[in-house]
Amino acid sequence: ETGVTQTPRHLVMGMTNKKSLKCEQHLGHNAMYWYKQSAKKPLELMFVYSLEERVENNSVPSRFSPECPNSSHLFLHLHTLQPEDSALYLCASSQVVSGSSEQFFGPGTRLTVL
Amino acid sequence: GQNIDQPTEMTATEGAIVQINCTYQTSGFNGLFWYQQHAGEAPTFLSYNVLDGLEEKGRFSSFLSRSKGYSYLLLKELQMKDSASYLCAVRASGGSYIPTFGRGTSLIVHP
Repeated sequence: ETGVTQTPRHLVMGMTNKKSLKCEQHLGHNAMYWYKQSAKKPLELMFVYSLEERVENNSVPSRFSPECPNSSHLFLHLHTLQPEDSALYLCASSQVVSGSSEQFFGPGTRLTVL
Repeated sequence: GQNIDQPTEMTATEGAIVQINCTYQTSGFNGLFWYQQHAGEAPTFLSYNVLDGLEEKGRFSSFLSRSKGYSYLLLKELQMKDSASYLCAVRASGGSYIPTFGRGTSLIVHP
């Protein structure tokens, strides 16, 4: 049990659809992250919310928009995606303090864009 | 920028020892992580090094040399369940808490 849950686990959508990915952490952490994981590529950081501050990777297209209503919940809103956006989307959380502050990952959402 | 390099794939025999290397070039250094990721599952934390030397945790050990920009993960008494991808992640200094991940090393353990 990682303490980080994601829904849905699998999602197939057309390029004109709008959908949202949901992440919830039950660990009392103060930072949450969205990562994109594609085959043969490093984990790509998309967005971070920490202590109510948002950090984003400037290379992420605007068709992805995050929302963090509180420290336990994180959403990724998707609209007019492209087939190359098909990937595993991982949510993670951590406690931002000095020292280790390792990340705890959710099981991911496997997204397929047709 | 940051550059993290790991071998793409390694194979080893059950019961053996394997060393997975990670080299990095970062603007400053504030810690190195190793994660394990089984196919179709979430990455899970294995180890954290911020000072030079060896950290041992059961069958797994992680080593760091900051002057060489080098780390390795050592897996002893390999088991079939150790077949997974091993991710090296480095955190730069300057107060950043966000690590940058390497591509991962896919380890295949065979009988």
